[in-house]
Amino acid sequence: SQQGEEDPQALSIQEGENATMNCSYKTSINNLQWYRQNSGRGLVHLILIRSNEREKHSGRLRVTLDTSKKSSSLLITASRAADTASYFCATTREYGNKLVFGAGTILRVKS
Amino acid sequence: EAGVAQSPRYKIIEKRQSVAFWCNPISGHATLYWYQQILGQGPKLLIQFQNNGVVDDSQLPKDRFSAERLKGVDSTLKIQPAKLEDSAVYLCASSPIRGRGNEKLFFGSGTQLSVL
Repeated sequence: SQQGEEDPQALSIQEGENATMNCSYKTSINNLQWYRQNSGRGLVHLILIRSNEREKHSGRLRVTLDTSKKSSSLLITASRAADTASYFCATTREYGNKLVFGAGTILRVKS
Repeated sequence: EAGVAQSPRYKIIEKRQSVAFWCNPISGHATLYWYQQILGQGPKLLIQFQNNGVVDDSQLPKDRFSAERLKGVDSTLKIQPAKLEDSAVYLCASSPIRGRGNEKLFFGSGTQLSVL
């Protein structure tokens, strides 16, 4: 079963705009990760945020985590056509060791 | 550093046939995972190995799926016999630290299986 639910399912923006994707989950977690998947390729790890962290940055990526609302958001600033991909959140439950993926958000950046 | 290698890249078979996928993880990675990704969905864990032992195979349909990781390095996933609903991308991933779920996974490009 999938732990995370991404929102929106699909997002289309112009190059240079910011893209925000959200992830909600059901049970207490140890950490939350975001991955990117280009069409026909494997997943690439973007960022990991632990349950005791609230915000994390990596380049043009900003991730927030609100454990009280069981939700996370991924912000991509100044988007590029190369950011076109599917983005997945994945969680590890508290006291668990399995990484469970959501259904993903399809991002299309138009140039 | 070489990435996770998977073969074949594509496979088309008829239902009730058998198929096998191969994965070679990043050198030195102790943990190896097989995920199934159905079109439009996120990856679903089938089996997780720690060296050559199975850590989690709770979602592996054991009546038709089998996997092994001999000598704790490369791995094969087999489906016998295949069903139409097995059509999916089969992703292999590895990680360097014992599979506590706190580390990032490195994925191969996957094998796209079509069952006709």
